[in-house]
Amino acid sequence: KNQVEQSPQSLIILEGKNCTLQCNYTVSPFSNLRWYKQDTGRGPVSLTIMTFSENTKSNGRYTATLDADTKQSSLHITASQLSDSASYICVVSANKLVFGAGTILRVKS
Amino acid sequence: NAGVMQNPRHLVRRRGQEARLRCSPMKGHSHVYWYRQLPEEGLKFMVYLQKENIIDESGMPKERFSAEFPKEGPSILRIQQVVRGDSAAYFCASSPSQGVTYEQYFGPGTRLTVT
Repeated sequence: KNQVEQSPQSLIILEGKNCTLQCNYTVSPFSNLRWYKQDTGRGPVSLTIMTFSENTKSNGRYTATLDADTKQSSLHITASQLSDSASYICVVSANKLVFGAGTILRVKS
Repeated sequence: NAGVMQNPRHLVRRRGQEARLRCSPMKGHSHVYWYRQLPEEGLKFMVYLQKENIIDESGMPKERFSAEFPKEGPSILRIQQVVRGDSAAYFCASSPSQGVTYEQYFGPGTRLTVT
């Protein structure tokens, strides 16, 4: 069964600190892996998309990594800001998109 | 270039009524996807449509739910005889071409509440 599991479920950090979110997947056939940011009451917005051959990809203060052998990905957020408070969703493409439940990040001052 | 638009943003229906959710894809996009997000859960795929065609409806409940994407106008997700369990956020996404390798752009969602 295609599954995407994310950890932690929720996280609270202080503004300016770094954090790393984890994603494990069992999805086949694998096409690509995406990280989305979903603000409360909004639709998801794409942060990164990585194919099988890519190990790391950055988008500003967001850096995603992918280990296709262990089927793990991480999203590292550097120098967090209050506006980073959101749900971060790991999505793996098989024949269709398979969504994780998300990690709720709260950045406080 | 306007993004994906959905309306209404909030919809309240009594049990047994019909709910109609509309989605206008980004300009130039002819592929539309509908997803449902239950509280505390991830998005779940419902249906994938191209203009006038349903390509994949494997995520749609067999009864009461239907979707269309006519040649002119927005895509419509229709839920007949709504029940409390239909309360959720419904998101539409669009892409310029076929396949999961293409970026999907999401709308702001319609939050359906069934009372």
